[in-house]
Amino acid sequence: DAGITQSPRHKVTETGTPVTLRCHQTENHRYMYWYRQDPGHGLRLIHYSYGVKDTDKGEVSDGYSVSRSKTEDFLLTLESATSSQTSVYFCATKSPPEDTIYFGEGSWLTVV
Amino acid sequence: AQSVTQPDIHITVSEGASLELRCNYSYGATPYLFWYVQSPGQGLQLLLKYFSGDTLVQGIKGFEAEFKRSQSSFNLRKPSVHWSDAAEYFCAVGSASGGSYIPTFGRGTSLIVHP
Repeated sequence: DAGITQSPRHKVTETGTPVTLRCHQTENHRYMYWYRQDPGHGLRLIHYSYGVKDTDKGEVSDGYSVSRSKTEDFLLTLESATSSQTSVYFCATKSPPEDTIYFGEGSWLTVV
Repeated sequence: AQSVTQPDIHITVSEGASLELRCNYSYGATPYLFWYVQSPGQGLQLLLKYFSGDTLVQGIKGFEAEFKRSQSSFNLRKPSVHWSDAAEYFCAVGSASGGSYIPTFGRGTSLIVHP
């Protein structure tokens, strides 16, 4: 258990509205990740962070932005939500020294 | 770039039968390899991991996996499946790329267990 909390756990929003998902960790891990999970696609990396204010894009970053102002918090923002962003979003952290990835419980987002 | 392939989208087994889930990876050096399990509506739970040493690794819930470098495989096995093992299983490879650590996941294999 890596002490990862995601909020909100469930959200329904309208097309065109901004949405922010929050990931909070208690283990002081340096690396944090945001993935989305869709049927037939498995887990796809959206953005990741390797330190405070250090972030980079993953394979499906279009339409998403992130911020990390504190080690423990990693925010994922959908600036203008679209129906294609309906998905389950997972936050993860990397635990040293064996680089094991631990996941939060997920955030179910529906864009109508 | 690294990649992970899980060739089987669905696997159906009878309760009590043995199980093998396949995973092939592509990576230039020795990778870190993982198997995760996901029950419906839940997050991903780590089953086991390989970093170095003994190529047969034991995990939780009676699972094991064998790393075969020559075949670029890391297959997951269980000698006797229980109905509660029905879930989605993900294989993953982790490695450093350009100084950053990027884990890559397969698309998953859905395990169905018949009574």
